[in-house]
Amino acid sequence: EVKLVESGGGLAQPGGSLSLSCAASGFTLSSYEMSWVRQAPGKGLEWVSYISTSGSSIYYADSVKGRFTISRDDAKKSLYLQMNSLRAEDTAIYYCVRALRWSGLSFDYWGQGTLVTVSS
Amino acid sequence: QSVLTQPPSVSAAPGQKVTISCSGSSSNIGNNYVSWYQQVPGTVPKLLIYDNNKRPSGIPDRFSGSKSGTSATLGITGLQTGDEADYYCGTWDDSLSAWVFGGGTKLTVL
Repeated sequence: EVKLVESGGGLAQPGGSLSLSCAASGFTLSSYEMSWVRQAPGKGLEWVSYISTSGSSIYYADSVKGRFTISRDDAKKSLYLQMNSLRAEDTAIYYCVRALRWSGLSFDYWGQGTLVTVSS
Repeated sequence: QSVLTQPPSVSAAPGQKVTISCSGSSSNIGNNYVSWYQQVPGTVPKLLIYDNNKRPSGIPDRFSGSKSGTSATLGITGLQTGDEADYYCGTWDDSLSAWVFGGGTKLTVL
């Protein structure tokens, strides 16, 4: 069974940092591209970042570029998101998502999410 | 303002059919594959359609997807109360080098 379990969410002050982790099980992480997607309270889905297999290609949404860093450790079966210079608008549930690539890219498995709240 | 445009809401009676549109441009839908996601309130998003019109295992054939030019459409037939959810389209945008989601469409089954 594919499982993605996020951790590391919580309360952070504006300008502060948080580090999210995602533990993957039930599949071979090294064979899959991964992403982070977030959802602010009562709002729609917003893609945050993408990392290819081996980490050779990385992309970010403009809203987080220069502040967030995605990484992966396939040996530890984990995906990470380092979030710096946090802003109130970063408040959201952050989902770890597995990417499925047949002809195009899609997101086939989602974690339960971890809530990040940025407030003073 | 989302790069992909969806109607905020649609509604239909149980047993009826509904379609949800997703409009984009040549840099996203026009040049890439579209996927659709269902999010029942209080739950995690679920993949409904990938590669424009393919259904993952376990998704009933009441759900269908299509794409024409720079627009995509999700169709749901035989509506059930359990289909009440928010639906999102998504695809890669070559100009932004980013994945983009539509703003979401709330489906109400009257």
